[in-house]
Amino acid sequence: EADIYQTPRYLVIGTGKKITLECSQTMGHDKMYWYQQDPGMELHLIHYSYGVNSTEKGDLSSESTVSRIRTEHFPLTLESARPSHTSQYLCATGADTQYFGPGTRLTVL
Amino acid sequence: GENVEQHPSTLSVQEGDSAVIKCTYSDSASNYFPWYKQELGKGPQLIIDIRSNVGEKKDQRIAVTLNKTAKHFSLHITETQPEDSAVYFCAASIGGGADGLTFGKGTHLIIQP
Repeated sequence: EADIYQTPRYLVIGTGKKITLECSQTMGHDKMYWYQQDPGMELHLIHYSYGVNSTEKGDLSSESTVSRIRTEHFPLTLESARPSHTSQYLCATGADTQYFGPGTRLTVL
Repeated sequence: GENVEQHPSTLSVQEGDSAVIKCTYSDSASNYFPWYKQELGKGPQLIIDIRSNVGEKKDQRIAVTLNKTAKHFSLHITETQPEDSAVYFCAASIGGGADGLTFGKGTHLIIQP
């Protein structure tokens, strides 16, 4: 069983607010990922990290930013939330096998 | 880069019948193929995976087959039950995961009572 956690699980926030979505894992994996998932189901990779101090942009352009100061944490930040950012955000960790957290459902009003 | 096609996008089967979801991939160097199940309100969970050195793998009611020549792999679920209703994703990667997983677009499996 993978130990990967995301908080908050649900977030409703107004336009213009700064938000940080937390992701932490206790598996000691170097690689971590952020995906955006819309109601159409498809998973879109928006950020990934090879390890501490490494951050890379994924296939889908995103206004969010990430940081990786510690192996176990990979937070995602939106400086100014907009309704277009409303989505499900999934964090994952692992090398070839990826283990997903439960997700954060973000709603921006 | 790798491209993974998944079909069908929606599959409805009667409880007790079998369900088959098919995926094709483009990069012949890919050698790791996991399948994920995502239930409503949860993250995707790994249910079975296969590596290119085997053609088939089975775990109770689920099985995965791989045809490297044709570059396609399939998920088979037998004796379907209501709790099998979910979204299923296939994925492919080159072992070691330097470029991560490439996912299919998902299949919504509906088990009719």
